[in-house]
Amino acid sequence: ELKVEQNPLFLSMQEGKNYTIYCNYSTTSDRLYWYRQDPGKSLESLFVLLSNGAVKQEGRLMASLDTKARLSTLHITAAVHDLSATYFCAVARGYNTDKLIFGTGTRLQVFP
Amino acid sequence: KAGVTQTPRYLIKTRGQQVTLSCSPISGHRSVSWYQQTPGQGLQFLFEYFSETQRNKGNFPGRFSGRQFSNSRSEMNVSTLELGDSALYLCASSHGTGNTGELFFGEGSRLTVL
Repeated sequence: ELKVEQNPLFLSMQEGKNYTIYCNYSTTSDRLYWYRQDPGKSLESLFVLLSNGAVKQEGRLMASLDTKARLSTLHITAAVHDLSATYFCAVARGYNTDKLIFGTGTRLQVFP
Repeated sequence: KAGVTQTPRYLIKTRGQQVTLSCSPISGHRSVSWYQQTPGQGLQFLFEYFSETQRNKGNFPGRFSGRQFSNSRSEMNVSTLELGDSALYLCASSHGTGNTGELFFGEGSRLTVL
């Protein structure tokens, strides 16, 4: 059974600092997703990582994938308050399926 | 380009009733999947449909059902509602083929069961 673990669950960080969210999964996967969710809102797609070594960056966020270690990271550079949200990673196994197994989420708070 | 549209956005039901939620995917997307989000269980996969066929199903009781129409719109139904069914129900759509797909989520339908 595919399981996805994220850590930390909660992250309070000061503006301007860097930090990394970790996503571990238990079996091989074919796609790894990162989503952002604001309170009371839906999931906003951030990144889709498809292959080992994949790295994607958007603004202050950078995601990477190591399929051998079954690990993805979401790195936050020089955090700003607008990044405060809950971040989820999710894993899909197999082609032609949208069945995602989600991690528990990391609630990020950025303070001045 | 319109996103994934879910209706209704909010609804309140009582135990024992049933509810139907609707999802219109992004134009051209043929796959629709449904997820339940609760504070206790997090985000859980319910089922997915592609070309009117259920392609996968999560570990939910038979009270949860769904279908997809020829225009790719999907509905999910929950019968004999229980308090624990209170949740945010999210619908997502994608092209549904291959291994490249981004999955786009709608705003969700927030169900409260009293």
